[in-house]
Amino acid sequence: DTAVSQTPKYLVTQMGNDKSIKCEQNLGHDTMYWYKQDSKKFLKIMFSYNNKELIINETVPNRFSPKSPDKAHLNLHINSLELGDSAVYFCASSQVAGGPGEQYFGPGTRLTVT
Amino acid sequence: SQQGEEDPQALSIQEGENATMNCSYKTSINNLQWYRQNSGRGLVHLILIRSNEREKHSGRLRVTLDTSKKSSSLLITASRAADTASYFCATLTGANSKLTFGKGITLSVRP
Repeated sequence: DTAVSQTPKYLVTQMGNDKSIKCEQNLGHDTMYWYKQDSKKFLKIMFSYNNKELIINETVPNRFSPKSPDKAHLNLHINSLELGDSAVYFCASSQVAGGPGEQYFGPGTRLTVT
Repeated sequence: SQQGEEDPQALSIQEGENATMNCSYKTSINNLQWYRQNSGRGLVHLILIRSNEREKHSGRLRVTLDTSKKSSSLLITASRAADTASYFCATLTGANSKLTFGKGITLSVRP
C-alpha cells in the first residue's frame, strides 16, 4: 500500500563502514530523488534519476553512489561513512521530470554514524 | 544553494486561529509548493501554485504568490492541533524538476 518506502528506517553504524539505503515506489512514477535533511531540518537534494538515468547530481562527495536498477527503485550506497553523514535521508518520487514536480516522500532513514 | 526563506521560523497559535507563513525566494521559478512534515515523518505535499497564478485555495489552505516580490504566503484557517508540524516552501526550477526547499517553519497549535 505504501507509495514510497525506504529501508531501513534506522541505521546506526561506525565511521569508516559502508552502508546502503533502499527505496521503492509503487506509484508508477518516472523520477526518483534522494534528499538529505540535517539536524536543523534543512533539506537538500542530492540526486535525481529519471527512468534509470541520472539527471541531477548535486555537489555530493563521491563516497555517495546512487543506483537505479529500474524506475521503481533507487538505492543509495555510502562508502567510508563519516560523522558528518549523520542525517535523515529521504527518498521521493514524482511523475515525470520536467512535469509540475509534486513529489511524494518516503518516511526517511535516520543514519547515525558513531 | 538555498532558494526559499520562510518566516517566521516558529509560530505558536491557539486552536481556531489562522496561521500565516511567508516564503521568499531568489530566482525565477516554474512553480512554488508547500509541504508539511510531522515530527519523525516524511514530507507531504500540500499545495502547488504556478508562476502565472496569484492565489490558490485547497480546503483550509490559501496560498498566494507575488512573482514581482518573489514571495509567497500560506494561510491555514481555523487551525487545529493536528496542524502542528513543520511547513516548508519549495521552488521548482529548471527542466529537471529540481525542488529547492527553505529552512521550514515550526507551527505549534495549542488545543
